[in-house]
Amino acid sequence: AQSVTQPDIHITVSEGASLELRCNYSYGATPYLFWYVQSPGQGLQLLLKYFSGDTLVQGIKGFEAEFKRSQSSFNLRKPSVHWSDAAEYFCAVGVSGSQGNLIFGKGTKLSVKP
Amino acid sequence: DVKVTQSSRYLVKRTGEKVFLECVQDMDHENMFWYRQDPGLGLRLIYFSYDVKMKEKGDIPEGYSVSREKKERFSLILESASTNQTSMYLCASSLLRRVDGYTFGSGTRLTVV
Repeated sequence: AQSVTQPDIHITVSEGASLELRCNYSYGATPYLFWYVQSPGQGLQLLLKYFSGDTLVQGIKGFEAEFKRSQSSFNLRKPSVHWSDAAEYFCAVGVSGSQGNLIFGKGTKLSVKP
Repeated sequence: DVKVTQSSRYLVKRTGEKVFLECVQDMDHENMFWYRQDPGLGLRLIYFSYDVKMKEKGDIPEGYSVSREKKERFSLILESASTNQTSMYLCASSLLRRVDGYTFGSGTRLTVV
């Protein structure tokens, strides 16, 4: 069965520092991969997605993610974090040929120190 | 530009009440989903639907039911609300057989007292 693991429950970084949020998936074929962000009290917003092709994908708000098949990973990165990036981040995997369902990780909460 | 609308942002109900959470999408999506979100537990799927009048149980359907009479509307029903159903409820929609990601509503924070 497909699964998604986000190893870090909570990460704190200083404003202006770089960020990497980890995501590992379990799936036999090439997955469809997503990162969502959830600001406090809000719904989830799509940051970026990977289907195929270039393994480095760019998203909104200056985020990028890199698909590494050998490591079954899809880590989210940002070169310089802003205080407004404080939120919870969810990685998700979708299965081709399915009804379109996604499997979500449990999320990583990002705090930003001034 | 609003695409998935949840009728209430905050809701306070009493134990034993029947509670309706409404979700409407304007993107002509076939799939609709209801999740609950609790700290440390992530998103847990309650029910989903691929078409009008059809429903499938998710991971935690106990204590809940759903209704989908029209394609654009998916309602979550708490038959007899209990305090352990206090949570954030999120609705989402997507295209059928297209792994294109979900569009989420803003969520309903339900408190059962």
